[in-house]
Amino acid sequence: GQQVMQIPQYQHVQEGEDFTTYCNSSTTLSNIQWYKQRPGGHPVFLIQLVKSGEVKKQKRLTFQFGEAKKNSSLHITATQTTDVGTYFCAGRSGTAGTASKLTFGTGTRLQVTL
Amino acid sequence: GAGVSQSPRYKVTKRGQDVTLRCDPISSHATLYWYQQALGQGPEFLTYFNYEAQPDKSGLPSDRFSAERPEGSISTLTIQRTEQRDSAMYRCASSLDRGLGELFFGEGSRLTVL
Repeated sequence: GQQVMQIPQYQHVQEGEDFTTYCNSSTTLSNIQWYKQRPGGHPVFLIQLVKSGEVKKQKRLTFQFGEAKKNSSLHITATQTTDVGTYFCAGRSGTAGTASKLTFGTGTRLQVTL
Repeated sequence: GAGVSQSPRYKVTKRGQDVTLRCDPISSHATLYWYQQALGQGPEFLTYFNYEAQPDKSGLPSDRFSAERPEGSISTLTIQRTEQRDSAMYRCASSLDRGLGELFFGEGSRLTVL
């Protein structure tokens, strides 16, 4: 079945440093979403990417969808302690616009220290 | 309701007992998902519903697991003859759009099987 892997599993950075997590799917995706889960919390939606090669920005966060729609990345510029949490990508395969399962990646846990 | 509501928040049971977890999604949402999340891991897909239809239950680990959504709103996840390996957080999420929209997660039901 579909597998979605993320690297790294864990990253510890100093506040102000940049951070990137990479997401790779074993199958072509119709769209990909990113979620953030704070310690003790539930996943919260960040963004969705649909088009091949799409790039979206949210303040210090930049999201990219690969040309082949099998990989994605999230880059955080100048991390802050509020960025602490686990970042998950989640991909859908199948026909766009039809309900289908959303497969979550393995996650990257980000720790930020002063 | 205003958000996705899950109950119970915590459930401790003895091995061999049956448990039923409940999810009340956001009222306008057509699609409802169940995930299992072990500590430090990403959410693992169990099943999803589109209204009352259950197009995909490929993630249910065994025939001890079943889910229902008889009227297309509230859903239940039942685990029969629980085993210690069933201990996990069970997360429900709902989505407005079929196949495209963000998932809104509930706070989860933490199951501990002794």
